[in-house]
Amino acid sequence: GESVGLHLPTLSVQEGDNSIINCAYSNSASDYFIWYKQESGKGPQFIIDIRSNMDKRQGQRVTVLLNKTVKHLSLQIAATQPGDSAVYFCAENRDSGGGADGLTFGKGTHLIIQP
Amino acid sequence: DTEVTQTPKHLVMGMTNKKSLKCEQHMGHRAMYWYKQKAKKPPELMFVYSYEKLSINESVPSRFSPECPNSSLLNLHLHALQPEDSALYLCASSLPKGVSTDTQYFGPGTRLTVL
Repeated sequence: GESVGLHLPTLSVQEGDNSIINCAYSNSASDYFIWYKQESGKGPQFIIDIRSNMDKRQGQRVTVLLNKTVKHLSLQIAATQPGDSAVYFCAENRDSGGGADGLTFGKGTHLIIQP
Repeated sequence: DTEVTQTPKHLVMGMTNKKSLKCEQHMGHRAMYWYKQKAKKPPELMFVYSYEKLSINESVPSRFSPECPNSSLLNLHLHALQPEDSALYLCASSLPKGVSTDTQYFGPGTRLTVL
């Protein structure tokens, strides 16, 4: 099966509310995680990343939390706006041992912002 | 500048055609990637190049042939494709692991339709 997955395929929130998108991973050796946002017809857009030596990282209106004990990753978006509507993917590096790792993506959560 | 460009944006080809997808970045990244994304699915890794050398091939059929002519360019040559190969093909680039952050930045993709 996939090493990175998501709990919910669709999340609907009111504009202005906070959103939390969750992700579970199975590879305890993974040391780098990324959240991407993908709008319809576009490529994935980097949002925020976190390394396994951290529990929390904050960006502008976004926070990523990493719980290595239960292998869980979450993305919190504060004060959601209509422009936040998109599919959100978590991804982990594959740790190939080489000079560059590919990413394994979770299934994705479609975030819908209600007016 | 975190821009990865891909051409063409859309491509329609028959099963006997030969075509190429192109990807370009000028961020000084020495790792480049091809991913395939089917509708409503996450991207799946196909190939990884590190310092212009193929480092990962995810058991991709030989009808897909990657090429990295220099550190800024990545091509994907297509020949004798099948209708099930229709998908969004995404290119990404990053600094090699250990140099700095190895965040992958994605292009907008090429939407391929095989008739």
